[in-house]
Amino acid sequence: GAGVSQSPRYKVAKRGQDVALRCDPISGHVSLFWYQQALGQGPEFLTYFQNEAQLDKSGLPSDRFFAERPEGSVSTLKIQRTQQEDSAVYLCASSLVVGSNTGELFFGEGSRLTVL
Amino acid sequence: AQRVTQPEKLLSVFKGAPVELKCNYSYSGSPELFWYVQYSRQRLQLLLRHISRESIKGFTADLNKGETSFHLKKPFAQEEDSAMYYCALGRNSGNTPLVFGKGTRLSVIA
Repeated sequence: GAGVSQSPRYKVAKRGQDVALRCDPISGHVSLFWYQQALGQGPEFLTYFQNEAQLDKSGLPSDRFFAERPEGSVSTLKIQRTQQEDSAVYLCASSLVVGSNTGELFFGEGSRLTVL
Repeated sequence: AQRVTQPEKLLSVFKGAPVELKCNYSYSGSPELFWYVQYSRQRLQLLLRHISRESIKGFTADLNKGETSFHLKKPFAQEEDSAMYYCALGRNSGNTPLVFGKGTRLSVIA
């Protein structure tokens, strides 16, 4: 595809349900990032992959959050036992280069999660 | 710790007026600064980065290490500049994620 693709675009979950959010980065992009954006806030870092290796997961808010990128391409962010405070837009971004400091981050449209 | 502050949540200016979106950062090392923009119903995208020292869509930003600022400026605002603007900070070494500010919504009034 031409850009970073995320699915689903919208997800409504009942509190306590598990959800899985998918990110399909631009082909060949080494780096993949997940960010969480609450209403009225800027994107907050969750986790970073370099190919299939998860190099930084310091931003994951709790052990209910889990991310993987098993083949170094598609990534899934899983949230177990969702809580209302998990309601946010989850953004995925990819970059051709290692890290994010010099290369441009290409963002997906985001997955908007609403937990009732 | 790295931190980015955008003091204005909303900035309204008339078309043709100058624009300055403020960004201050906190980082003890050598920073990499970026401005990202999100137009209505579009995805977040890079506007410019300080290392390039370029002008994009008439916008410029100068890194002032003494004042730890990276303000975004444009001499004459256009209606199509209306958008959310996010300042972002990275480090120039290591695989570190970008830290974003909370954003400023620019509204250009005709």
